[in-house]
Amino acid sequence: AQSVAQPEDQVNVAEGNPLTVKCTYSVSGNPYLFWYVQYPNRGLQFLLKYITGDNLVKGSYGFEAEFNKSQTSFHLKKPSALVSDSALYFCAVRGMNSGYSTLTFGKGTMLLVSP
Amino acid sequence: EAGVAQSPRYKIIEKRQSVAFWCNPISGHATLYWYQQILGQGPKLLIQFQNNGVVDDSQLPKDRFSAERLKGVDSTLKIQPAKLEDSAVYLCASRWGTGGEDGYTFGSGTRLTVV
Repeated sequence: AQSVAQPEDQVNVAEGNPLTVKCTYSVSGNPYLFWYVQYPNRGLQFLLKYITGDNLVKGSYGFEAEFNKSQTSFHLKKPSALVSDSALYFCAVRGMNSGYSTLTFGKGTMLLVSP
Repeated sequence: EAGVAQSPRYKIIEKRQSVAFWCNPISGHATLYWYQQILGQGPKLLIQFQNNGVVDDSQLPKDRFSAERLKGVDSTLKIQPAKLEDSAVYLCASRWGTGGEDGYTFGSGTRLTVV
């Protein structure tokens, strides 16, 4: 079965500094990887995905993620953090069950960007 | 396009009572998911529908939870009787395909508090 680990419960960064939110995964076959963001009292919003191709994936709001197959990692990054980026971030991996895909999520990492 | 609609947004009930949640996916999306998100955890899949058929309900506590999607469009998730540990946000998501390349679209969720 597939799984995702987000080792940090919380990441603190000052506005304007680069940020990284870590994610490692375990899945059989080729990995399909996703990042979602959740603001308070809201559902999950899609940020970006890796299916195949370039290991650096660009997504919404200036976020990007780096896929590393040897380290089974898919870390989320942003060159310059904004206070408005403060939210809960989830990494997810696709698994297949009887030909149908399902996303398995990590426990989430709270990102706090201070002014 | 309209998003995934869920209602109610909030619900407070006493333990042993019953409750129902409703989800209307994006038009044309054949696949519908119900996830349970307990505070401090990532979303956990409860049930997955493909049109009006159940694809995966292996993590649904069937002694108290039930779900249906009779016409292959909107869906209802029911809990009867509720327990304190059912307090969570219940997220509905939908997607067009089955292969996993496209991301899910989530609703805003229903926050259930069992007292």
